[in-house]
Amino acid sequence: DAMVIQNPRYQVTQFGKPVTLSCSQTLNHNVMYWYQQKSSQAPKLLFHYYDKDFNNEADTPDNFQSRRPNTSFCFLDIRSPGLGDAAMYLCATSRQTGTNEKLFFGSGTQLSVL
Amino acid sequence: AQSVTQPDIHITVSEGASLELRCNYSYGATPYLFWYVQSPGQGLQLLLKYFSGDTLVQGIKGFEAEFKRSQSSFNLRKPSVHWSDAAEYFCAFGGYQKVTFGTGTKLQVIP
Repeated sequence: DAMVIQNPRYQVTQFGKPVTLSCSQTLNHNVMYWYQQKSSQAPKLLFHYYDKDFNNEADTPDNFQSRRPNTSFCFLDIRSPGLGDAAMYLCATSRQTGTNEKLFFGSGTQLSVL
Repeated sequence: AQSVTQPDIHITVSEGASLELRCNYSYGATPYLFWYVQSPGQGLQLLLKYFSGDTLVQGIKGFEAEFKRSQSSFNLRKPSVHWSDAAEYFCAFGGYQKVTFGTGTKLQVIP
């Protein structure tokens, strides 16, 4: 089945130690998104790629970066994780960028910062 | 500014009972409206969406939602809840440039 896959399911890192989360998709969608979801809060869009074009949300901290080396893969890099960055990170895809597009989500990576 | 509100953080219903989850939005025009469901340990899955036309929308798993422009609402309903419906439900809307999610409603189903 075509899907969005996130690895690992759980990630533990140390305060200030860089960490990378990965996402892959077999849907051949043009757009890939990264959302941050904290407990009892709405998923918050960090940034998205339309093909190779990177679009950063205005309030996304500089500490968060992303790479999309090809259509299938997208990475979230947290350069110096703080305690406040502990959250579920969701990767999603859509065919196009319109806000009427259905989003396809991975199962998420739960990040803990010690 | 665009926003979406889910006033109920947590709802408990008995299996077989009816369900209604509330969603209100604030936007200057008619938005694209969605309901997503997140089961424990899973990503979000689209239940249904509304763009235009018939204001009563049918979705998967027996869910439906009704768009009411006068109330700026898009409430989710199900006539008879199953234990497998226990999950977190997110209302979302597509406005200018991005999709905005509500804070979610956690549904507990008791026997």
